[in-house]
Amino acid sequence: NAGVTQTPKFRILKIGQSMTLQCTQDMNHNYMYWYRQDPGMGLKLIYYSVGAGITDKGEVPNGYNVSRSTTEDFPLRLELAAPSQTSVYFCASTKVHETGYNTEAFFGQGTRLTVV
Amino acid sequence: RKEVEQDPGPFNVPEGATVAFNCTYSNSASQSFFWYRQDCRKEPKLLMSVYSSGNEDGRFTAQLNRASQYISLLIRDSKLSDSATYLCVVNIGDMRFGAGTRLTVKP
Repeated sequence: NAGVTQTPKFRILKIGQSMTLQCTQDMNHNYMYWYRQDPGMGLKLIYYSVGAGITDKGEVPNGYNVSRSTTEDFPLRLELAAPSQTSVYFCASTKVHETGYNTEAFFGQGTRLTVV
Repeated sequence: RKEVEQDPGPFNVPEGATVAFNCTYSNSASQSFFWYRQDCRKEPKLLMSVYSSGNEDGRFTAQLNRASQYISLLIRDSKLSDSATYLCVVNIGDMRFGAGTRLTVKP
């Protein structure tokens, strides 16, 4: 059982380049999330999705785009990379329990992105 | 006001000490609550879920006070291996994280 898988693990981008961070989960979770974590700081929500075809902005969505065409995949797109986007990016997923509560979040191992 | 606020820390305690972390949340409609542990440069890992008034797991006790919108984590008999950053997480439809409280347990 792979859980949540993120690729790549590391990436260096030049200013203005674009890239897609991949995230896939095999637990049939309906909710998926993208967070960024700057050094010494907590996790900030970029975007999330409550199911295929539905996405919503989090706390810090500017400069990013997402899509959710399948339950399993939730890629994050950076169109014009900026040094301020240097961070560690975590993808996570949760399932809505029959009681209506979200279960614990399962995380990928993170992508360390540097923009120079 | 931030959605989730935690004690800023850091906490530096000797082995065997008892330490408590506090977390407040602003959305009264919050449904579920969690404590996560994060080791340096790693992904967060679930420490405890807090679904009702609180729960206990070995040396760890989490309490929830919905009226005051407050969650706490108590660690008894601290071990060196407890050194990490502890994250408070609140579900408000999406999952919001506090900034984390760093704990260092020293010999």
